[in-house]
Amino acid sequence: AIQMTQSPSSLSASVGDRVTITCRASQGIRNDLGWYQQKPGKAPKLLIYAASSLQSGVPSRFSGSGSGTDFTLTISSLQPEDFATYYCLQDYSWTFGQGTKVEIK
Amino acid sequence: QITLKESGPTLVKPTQTLTLTCTFSGFSLSTSGVGVGWIRQPPGKALEWLALIYWDDDKRYSPSLKSRLTITKDTSKNQVVLTMTNMDPVDTATYYCAHRAIFGVAFFDYWGQGTLVTVSS
Repeated sequence: AIQMTQSPSSLSASVGDRVTITCRASQGIRNDLGWYQQKPGKAPKLLIYAASSLQSGVPSRFSGSGSGTDFTLTISSLQPEDFATYYCLQDYSWTFGQGTKVEIK
Repeated sequence: QITLKESGPTLVKPTQTLTLTCTFSGFSLSTSGVGVGWIRQPPGKALEWLALIYWDDDKRYSPSLKSRLTITKDTSKNQVVLTMTNMDPVDTATYYCAHRAIFGVAFFDYWGQGTLVTVSS
């Protein structure tokens, strides 16, 4: 099974900061990777698909990059509504990362 | 507008079988390329994919849970049913169903609100 290693598990940041979250796959998955945002008590929301494509309606401060085994989610300027937990999902055989909780500094 | 909603028991006893239903609208599971999956999340923990069924009745299961899971669809009712046998307290989680397609945004793009299932005697 393909394992996804997501880091960091949590981070503290301030409004306006640039935030980077990474996911590493245990084997190559081409660009079959998505990023989700989840707020407490809510279902996950798709932000990025196919590693770098922005889902409709998602602010442009979110971006994704990578292919093969290493992937990155970047929030260019953190906004108050971005404080949440983020998950990567490899869409090759559907494994999620362990999540990154983005907290207010 | 695509919507999905999960339904089923909120409490099951250990060793019992869980049956969850996902009722959806805004798409058809008879349309080529469309699928519905199930994902769960124990309280305070990460998401875990469970199963996926496609329009052509192709079914995929999590390798670690395959022996306990069955996914079926009723196209006429716009429903997908997941059964999980031999429930254990570690299966306590919020269970989500989600839409995906194999074209366009080929990811789980629309999700239900989730249903919390507690396993306890």
